[in-house]
Amino acid sequence: RKEVEQDPGPFNVPEGATVAFNCTYSNSASQSFFWYRQDCRKEPKLLMSVYSSGNEDGRFTAQLNRASQYISLLIRDSKLSDSATYLCVVNPWGKLIFGQGTELSVKP
Amino acid sequence: ETGVTQTPRHLVMGMTNKKSLKCEQHLGHNAMYWYKQSAKKPLELMFVYSLEERVENNSVPSRFSPECPNSSHLFLHLHTLQPEDSALYLCASSQDNGEGYYGYTFGSGTRLTVV
Repeated sequence: RKEVEQDPGPFNVPEGATVAFNCTYSNSASQSFFWYRQDCRKEPKLLMSVYSSGNEDGRFTAQLNRASQYISLLIRDSKLSDSATYLCVVNPWGKLIFGQGTELSVKP
Repeated sequence: ETGVTQTPRHLVMGMTNKKSLKCEQHLGHNAMYWYKQSAKKPLELMFVYSLEERVENNSVPSRFSPECPNSSHLFLHLHTLQPEDSALYLCASSQDNGEGYYGYTFGSGTRLTVV
């Protein structure tokens, strides 16, 4: 079983759509959780941390369910500039373990 | 200079060459990492250095040799690579405060092609 598993994608959506990304992780000792964004041929950049209470940053909402070992990211009112690969990341002490990423393409 | 800087940005090397990738961080962090990203695969952690000591080596072939001379610099020495080693090599740094690692920051990466 992969340590971090994401929807395979790609997701192709029109502008304004709502998109949901799902992720599961296998290491129950994981301490912290993140969503990263990676643009084509660039380095990953932190999009947002994920907390058990859920957190929101503008159009982006992240949720964590520790019991189910499940993480989600919701993007509302998607923009062309949201097109990228979204990486689910868990941190079991000192190292970031990445999922394979889900590619999002937002079309006009 | 700010953040994490990697050089060179692009590298093409033959299988018999020896080259080195360089990473420098200007964030005052005390942990540094090498990751490999191959096409259509997740980022793979290669090496972790904390306080200049290697704390993790994820079964990486010996043709990859890391070096961390101080907390700001990290090198990846390459020799007799194979074409399947062609990938994006990313350096990252973070701060270990004894309770966890924070502030992960990635460099822009070195895109390596082995011919």
